[in-house]
Amino acid sequence: DTGVSQDPRHKITKRGQNVTFRCDPISEHNRLYWYRQTLGQGPEFLTYFQNEAQLEKSRLLSDRFSAERPKGSFSTLEIQRTEQGDSAMYLCASSLSRSMGGTDTQYFGPGTRLTVL
Amino acid sequence: AQRVTQPEKLLSVFKGAPVELKCNYSYSGSPELFWYVQYSRQRLQLLLRHISRESIKGFTADLNKGETSFHLKKPFAQEEDSAMYYCAFTRGWFGNEKLTFGTGTRLTIIP
Repeated sequence: DTGVSQDPRHKITKRGQNVTFRCDPISEHNRLYWYRQTLGQGPEFLTYFQNEAQLEKSRLLSDRFSAERPKGSFSTLEIQRTEQGDSAMYLCASSLSRSMGGTDTQYFGPGTRLTVL
Repeated sequence: AQRVTQPEKLLSVFKGAPVELKCNYSYSGSPELFWYVQYSRQRLQLLLRHISRESIKGFTADLNKGETSFHLKKPFAQEEDSAMYYCAFTRGWFGNEKLTFGTGTRLTIIP
């Protein structure tokens, strides 16, 4: 499968613990996005990278959240001191940006479902 | 505020009947509009985008800038159309950008 992959698929943790998720984009894609989806809502943007540069962060991304894409390939999303409100599906997407502008198709991974007890 | 509204959380339609999923957006510029679909136990995937003007799986959507709408339509529903549908937009010419999603409509096709 050459699509976007995410690991783990499910994570259960206790409040106050740190968790880290990984996303592997489609290999030639230079843009990588993180979204969060809670029950009954559509995905909400968290942050995105072009290669290794983090270009935008949502106000939803509190100081407890940090994302990296050190070599411009895979990305990690870390949540420190988890809270019950962090329970959600965390989605990763990737795309290939075009220099002429416009929006290229974002391909989504299967998501990581986080449950904070 | 930039926002997408999908007024129907649930929609049930008989097989063979026409389908229309409503989507309205709030943005003063020239957005790019998308419909994404999520079938049971599958990942979110692009169904269609307004700039391509394609018909995918019999679905079409027309951007109406006057009404700021991008409703999804299909003349004859099929059972395999049962899924969760999300309308989304980006700010268009700013380049690859974050998607702003609506809350989604769960479409159920009744056999």
